[in-house]
Amino acid sequence: AQSVTQLGSHVSVSEGALVLLRCNYSSSVPPYLFWYVQYPNQGLQLLLKYTSAATLVKGINGFEAEFKKSETSFHLTKPSAHMSDAAEYFCAVSEGGTSYGKLTFGQGTILTVHP
Amino acid sequence: SQTIHQWPATLVQPVGSPLSLECTVEGTSNPNLYWYRQAAGRGLQLLFYSVGIGQISSEVPQNLSASRPQDRQFILSSKKLLLSDSGFYLCAWSLITDTQYFGPGTRLTVL
Repeated sequence: AQSVTQLGSHVSVSEGALVLLRCNYSSSVPPYLFWYVQYPNQGLQLLLKYTSAATLVKGINGFEAEFKKSETSFHLTKPSAHMSDAAEYFCAVSEGGTSYGKLTFGQGTILTVHP
Repeated sequence: SQTIHQWPATLVQPVGSPLSLECTVEGTSNPNLYWYRQAAGRGLQLLFYSVGIGQISSEVPQNLSASRPQDRQFILSSKKLLLSDSGFYLCAWSLITDTQYFGPGTRLTVL
């Protein structure tokens, strides 16, 4: 069975500061990994995904994530936070190719950006 | 391009009343379809998924059911709503093993 743990349900940063949202996963097969963002009362929007190609994945809005197999991690970073980055972020894992694309989500991390 | 629609956007229903939420996808064929529920502080819970017309898999036993009467239509239903059914319901689609794309969601409040 696969699982995802997001460390920190709330993260607060100042505008212009580094954003680091942590995600650790567990999977019995090589995983596909995803980060989604959700703004209030909206659906989830894909930020980026890892599907066994390059371990450093670049996404939209200046975000990137690095797949580290030895650490079973897929942390999300952005060098400089913007006020518009305030939202909830979800990490998700899929047992790529074996489970009809079913995703297991973490509990989410709410990012607050202070001026 | 593909788009996904959900309606209604918001719904307030009394306990014991029936429910029907609809999701439709445009611009793709034979997608996998998913229903999720997001309750306050509980993340996303996969309720149902479907890999084809008439094929429904349930992830969590509960008061809800799902149907897929057409290739790109996915319906979430209940005969009698419970207070615990309140939440934000999200529909998503994907092609096999690929990214899931989410609809705008339906906010359901059961009173």
